[in-house]
Order: sequence, then C-alpha cells, then structure tokens
Amino acid sequence: EIVLTQSPGTLSLSPGERATLSCRASQSVSSSYLAWYQQKPGQAPRLLIYGASSRATGIPDRFSGSGSGTDFTLTISRLEPEDFAVYYCQQYGSSPRGITFGPGTKVDIK
Amino acid sequence: QVQLVQSGAEVKKPGASVKVSCKASGYTFTSYDINWVRQATGQGLEWMGWMNPNSGNTGYAQKFQGRVTMTRNTSISTAYMELSSLRSEDTAVYYCARGDYGERGYYYYMDVWGKGTTVTVSS
Repeated sequence: EIVLTQSPGTLSLSPGERATLSCRASQSVSSSYLAWYQQKPGQAPRLLIYGASSRATGIPDRFSGSGSGTDFTLTISRLEPEDFAVYYCQQYGSSPRGITFGPGTKVDIK
Repeated sequence: QVQLVQSGAEVKKPGASVKVSCKASGYTFTSYDINWVRQATGQGLEWMGWMNPNSGNTGYAQKFQGRVTMTRNTSISTAYMELSSLRSEDTAVYYCARGDYGERGYYYYMDVWGKGTTVTVSS
C-alpha cells in the first residue's frame, strides 16, 4: 500500500502570503491519480486539484498543483481568508484498486 | 444540481450494524463510482471502499474487509454502506463521494461529496 506523507503538519501564515504544501509518496504515483482536497470545519472535503496539476471546476487560479513520481506540491499563491483550512492529498491505485489519503496539512492564520 | 444526499445521524450500540444511504441526483447514477470515506473527530480522511453502481462491483479497503458491504438500488439512484460489528472506534462521520475518471478515463478523483452522516457507537 502506498503511504502518503504531508508536510508540514501545520502552516501558520498571514493573508496574502504564499503557501507551499508538500505530499510525498512511499513509492511512485501516477500523476493522473494524484488529487488535492480542501476541508473546512464541519464541511465535507472539496476537490481542488486532480491529475496533480488540473484545477477542478470553479477553483480559483491562485491554487496550483505540481509534481511527479513521489513528490507533489500544492501552492496557494496569495492566501485569502477563506483558504485557511486543512488540505489533503490523495492517490488512487488501479492495481490493486484502492485510495489513500495523506494525513493533512492545516493552514492557519498567523 | 449534482448532489449526494445522505441519511441522518445514527446512534448504535457496540456489536450492532449501521446502514447509511446516499441518494444521487442531477446526474446519471450508474455512470460514476461511489466511494465511502470516513473521518473520526479531529482525524484525517480514511477510504473504506468503492462501488460501481452500474455493475454492482465493489472493492473494500483491507481494514474493513468482512465488516463492510456496499450496495445500491439503481431504481432510486441510491447507494448504501453497511458496517457491522460496530465498536467505539467506528464513531465517525461517514461520507459518500462520487468517483470520476474524468475525460477519456485518464484520471480518478472524487468531485461530489455528501454532507456526511454521523455514526456514534456507544453503550
């Protein structure tokens, strides 16, 4: 089973700053199958990025994803107040079929 | 609009079973997978398994093998997740989420989520 590790665990930043979140896989992951989600307290997760770098419908362009192999990054270019949340990376494996999530990175207000 | 509507909160005793429903609307139910993901309070997301509503094929995370059953009723566009032999550690919010392969079947992601069903296991 592929294990995803996210760092840092918590990122304390101010609005307007740039956030860089890391997701590392225990073995190579197809970029097609790497996604990022945002979750706010009391809400369901929301898809941000799929295919490592494609923004989901309605996601602002301040969110971007990059990476390949075992190292992936989610970047928020300029934090807006509504961006303070927990972010999860997720990978899908086709053989055997399964999904794993990283433990999450909390972006909070400094 | 495209949405997944889940059943209400449940309180169960240890050893009992719970069955959560997830009703799809706004899209063709049989064209997308349904995944189930749970989240204990203050914890991360844990994938439980998937179901293809068209074929009824399922796949479960090893942790839940033998305890979870995912089914569907296509006539009412509803998926179900039943978890048996409940223990206190199963107390969590359970989400259903639509699984999509994207254009040309090149990707896989969960793009529509239900609001979650809280399951509390307590004696």
